[in-house]
Amino acid sequence: EPEVTQTPSHQVTQMGQEVILRCVPISNHLYFYWYRQILGQKVEFLVSFYNNEISEKSEIFDDQFSVERPDGSNFTLKIRSTKLEDSAMYFCASSESLRTGELFFGEGSRLTVL
Amino acid sequence: AQSVTQLGSHVSVSEGALVLLRCNYSSSVPPYLFWYVQYPNQGLQLLLKYTSAATLVKGINGFEAEFKKSETSFHLTKPSAHMSDAAEYFCAVSGSTGGFKTIFGAGTRLFVKA
Repeated sequence: EPEVTQTPSHQVTQMGQEVILRCVPISNHLYFYWYRQILGQKVEFLVSFYNNEISEKSEIFDDQFSVERPDGSNFTLKIRSTKLEDSAMYFCASSESLRTGELFFGEGSRLTVL
Repeated sequence: AQSVTQLGSHVSVSEGALVLLRCNYSSSVPPYLFWYVQYPNQGLQLLLKYTSAATLVKGINGFEAEFKKSETSFHLTKPSAHMSDAAEYFCAVSGSTGGFKTIFGAGTRLFVKA
């Protein structure tokens, strides 16, 4: 069964360092998303991406964050100059269409900022 | 703006008992509604979805949910809890007229006692 894959599963970084989280969405999906879940808290929307551009972003997704789809398969989230409060589980998701709305999630990348 | 409210951050039931997890939504347009489940250290997995067809929706693992427009509710039920149902459950909403994001509730952790 097709699945969304994320790497790395866990990354530890020093405050101020740049981090890139990678995702391979399901191959025929057109809509891509990043969500964040701080430990014990709700799943928060960060950004959606369609047709090689950001469709929508939350107030969390400030200039520190960026996304891109450098090739036909990968979808990346870059966090510049990480802060302690960026420590969270980051989930990538993809969707085949807006009409159905179903999201397929990866297993997440746990980011720990020290 | 769309939102969901899940009543009860924790629910505890005995094995074999009825499971009822509550969700109320707010949406200015006919919504798509979802229940996702998250097992420890895993991503979110779709349990079921409502997309304006039948108001009673059946999902995986014996779960079902009923869309009640008059009550703006989409409660999740299962007649008989199993130990393997212990997990975090998220209600979610997205717009049928677009909007590229799905908004999640705060989650309800289900405990199942032997």
